[in-house]
Amino acid sequence: GAVVSQHPSRVICKSGTSVKIECRSLDFQATTMFWYRQFPKQSLMLMATSNEGSKATYEQGVEKDKFLINHASLTLSTLTVTSAHPEDSSFYICSADPLTGLGEKLFFGSGTQLSVL
Amino acid sequence: QQQVKQSPQSLIVQKGGISIINCAYENTAFDYFPWYQQFPGKGPALLIAIRPDVSEKKEGRFTISFNKSAKQFSLHIMDSQPGDSATYFCAASATNSGGYQKVTFGTGTKLQVIP
Repeated sequence: GAVVSQHPSRVICKSGTSVKIECRSLDFQATTMFWYRQFPKQSLMLMATSNEGSKATYEQGVEKDKFLINHASLTLSTLTVTSAHPEDSSFYICSADPLTGLGEKLFFGSGTQLSVL
Repeated sequence: QQQVKQSPQSLIVQKGGISIINCAYENTAFDYFPWYQQFPGKGPALLIAIRPDVSEKKEGRFTISFNKSAKQFSLHIMDSQPGDSATYFCAASATNSGGYQKVTFGTGTKLQVIP
């Protein structure tokens, strides 16, 4: 089956530093990737939609200067949390939509637990 | 505004019993309704999905029932097993102006199957 690799799985950083999270589709190409944020015992909230070769589309209330998204190739999207603060601590998950564009099978990464001290 | 409402928030079922999770939606533009299973510290995995032109879909022990007029759908897990203990999310999606499906998740149900 299709695999989406997300790295790192866990990161601890100091307040004010930037953290980069990678999302790779290992055996398929994805023009569209999605980034979600999940707080403990809560649902996944879509942060932004990442499109290869173009600017990401951010959901209302998500600061695009805070959460930088780069979709450089059909297999890689990155999320950079800039100047991280403790309130940015959360579980971040990416998903990838295969080139079929049907969205019928979104494949999810295993998530990144970010802890900002 | 929660576009997809899910209940119950938590559920405890005896091994061998039936687990039932319900969802309701508001946006009639939704045209695809997947269910995801998530284990702690992991990303969600697609379990089963249905389109609104079908009233029921069954895959193994998992069945989705869909009521288009009521804008409700539910997941039934037959013969529930301890290994089914996880958080389940219903979801709904519609094709947006960008041409891709945008998924909206329910609030999640934590299922615990006890021996």
